[in-house]
Amino acid sequence: DADVTQTPRNRITKTGKRIMLECSQTKGHDRMYWYRQDPGLGLRLIYYSFDVKDINKGEISDGYSVSRQAQAKFSLSLESAIPNQTALYFCATSGPTYEQYFGPGTRLTVT
Amino acid sequence: GEDVEQSLFLSVREGDSSVINCTYTDSSSTYLYWYKQEPGAGLQLLTYIFSNMDMKQDQRLTVLLNKKDKHLSLRIADTQTGDSAIYFCAESIRSSASKIIFGSGTRLSIRP
Repeated sequence: DADVTQTPRNRITKTGKRIMLECSQTKGHDRMYWYRQDPGLGLRLIYYSFDVKDINKGEISDGYSVSRQAQAKFSLSLESAIPNQTALYFCATSGPTYEQYFGPGTRLTVT
Repeated sequence: GEDVEQSLFLSVREGDSSVINCTYTDSSSTYLYWYKQEPGAGLQLLTYIFSNMDMKQDQRLTVLLNKKDKHLSLRIADTQTGDSAIYFCAESIRSSASKIIFGSGTRLSIRP
């Protein structure tokens, strides 16, 4: 079984809709992250969490919110989706040397 | 500022060595990483090197770090078709352990 899972894997939604992307991990790590990937731009950090009570904004947090429900679960919400949030979204955890373990990604399309 | 740069494309003949290069700007990086992303998949950690090391070898992979020039490279020996992917260089920043800066990725294509 995968160490980091994401649901859904693909989602098409309309402008203005609220959407939640979910992430679960079985690695037992405290640190979890949400990134978005756009062609030619690499990965950009949206939010990160060092433990259940610690949540921090990344470089592109506007328009997004997160919830850390448990050590193993970290969800990302788009309160009112807009077309430029169309992207590939990755959840990750990190180990003791800050190496990142990524989920398979969620492809989100906002029409 | 913090930045990690890579060339966008590399084409290599099957069986040759591939060398993917990366430059970074933050001299306080603690670890530097190489990730591989295959189509439709997430990023997979290939290897990483601590900033006080010059070289790390792991089977077909060799990582070289030149701290003076802030240059990191990944050499893949005997490149195979399964090595076709996008390769990302990344660094962790000492001043902010949470922060991992990724390059834009190098797409490696293998020709017969």
